[in-house]
Amino acid sequence: QITLKESGPTLVRPTQTLTLTCTFSGFSLSTRGVGVGWIRQPPEKALEWLALFFWDDEKRYSPSLKRRLTITKDTSKNQVVLTMTNMDTVDTGTYYCAQRTADWYFVLWGRGTPVTVSS
Amino acid sequence: EIVLTQSPDTLSLSPGERATLSCRASQSVTSSYLAWYQQNPGQAPRLLMYGASTRATGIPDRFSGSGSGTDFTLTISRLEPEDFAVYLCQQYGSSPITFGRGTRLEIK
Repeated sequence: QITLKESGPTLVRPTQTLTLTCTFSGFSLSTRGVGVGWIRQPPEKALEWLALFFWDDEKRYSPSLKRRLTITKDTSKNQVVLTMTNMDTVDTGTYYCAQRTADWYFVLWGRGTPVTVSS
Repeated sequence: EIVLTQSPDTLSLSPGERATLSCRASQSVTSSYLAWYQQNPGQAPRLLMYGASTRATGIPDRFSGSGSGTDFTLTISRLEPEDFAVYLCQQYGSSPITFGRGTRLEIK
């Protein structure tokens, strides 16, 4: 059974750095074609893709957020970590990680983790 | 980036009825690289369709997708109680991938 679970702080202060962890099971990030991505959903707004880590260690970022994002993996822990610098109130929302197996749609998602940016 | 506009915002129907949901792109979606997701409140999105018309694993055949270019449709032939949710479209033909804001399907 494939599962993904997001974890991280629920509250961050403006200008702080957010670190979120996606812990997955039931698949290997070394399998050709597999990727783990991060997507967020601000309240009452559309989903927004943030970053994707591929099986071959390639990384892709949303052009609008690229300068603030870093995506890494910890193979031994089956985790993908996303850091986002200089957080702002507009970054408030639910953050999801999801599995990609082919192309750029997401087959399975975690349940999401809420993040509020407030002073 | 490609903007996806979904309509209607809310669709009120009864179980057993047919639902037709629209997703319109601001530019042509390459190779019909369009996916549909279902999302229930407080839950993660669930992949329904990819490639505009291919059902994901385990998705019942009452769900169908169609369209190309800039106009795509998700059809649910006979609504079941569990189908009342929010439906999202996503294009993955151009970078960055983008999502629509969703159509809420509610019980009439």
